[in-house]
Amino acid sequence: QSALPQPASVSGSPGQSITISCTGTSSDVGGYNYVSWYQHHPGKAPQVMIYEVSNRPSGVSNRFSGSKSGNTASLTISGLQAEDEADYYCSSYTGGNTPFVFGTGTKVTVL
Amino acid sequence: EVQLVESGGGLVQPGGSLRLSCAASGFTFSSHLMHWVRQAPGKGLVWVSRINSDGSTINYADSVQGRFTISRDNAKNTLYLQMNSLGAEDTAVYYCVRDNGYKIDYWGQGTLVTVSS
Repeated sequence: QSALPQPASVSGSPGQSITISCTGTSSDVGGYNYVSWYQHHPGKAPQVMIYEVSNRPSGVSNRFSGSKSGNTASLTISGLQAEDEADYYCSSYTGGNTPFVFGTGTKVTVL
Repeated sequence: EVQLVESGGGLVQPGGSLRLSCAASGFTFSSHLMHWVRQAPGKGLVWVSRINSDGSTINYADSVQGRFTISRDNAKNTLYLQMNSLGAEDTAVYYCVRDNGYKIDYWGQGTLVTVSS
């Protein structure tokens, strides 16, 4: 199971919106509504921002939203803030002996 | 509050062994599948192994099959990863993660394993 391609980096100014894509196949992203997005500040525990494609855990800002179309999932961050600067990874359940596949990761920079 | 705290990482020579532990708290550990996920320096996240709630079903990534052994002690709320025949390719931060129904919802902070002579 190969890593799910994500753009290596995305940047935006404070207040802007950015979108990160995560491209899979019908065996992972396209086949299940179990796509999650994680925010990772180096040295800290990754935190789930979106689960099951578009659901936000309690405590996560509503500036974060998720969607899926076919084999591609997306994470949108609206009203970009300095604290959003981090690495973001998607993941998808696969149903196989390798139950989860992760994205290649996207570094978000707030200009 | 859910907490996952890994320990046991460190520097080990090629061919050596290490045992990682993950102490879980804040939830009913015995009710959840658990996984190990790793991240090599400068690389992305990679799933390593999973164990179901009672330890009866286990899976491994091909890259660690036959060398790593996952286990758990539900009485101690602890997850383990025994790593043998370590190589440079195993150098990574190892994360203990909780499965909550086809999704990973909590991560530990990770423990660094460095394989080098």
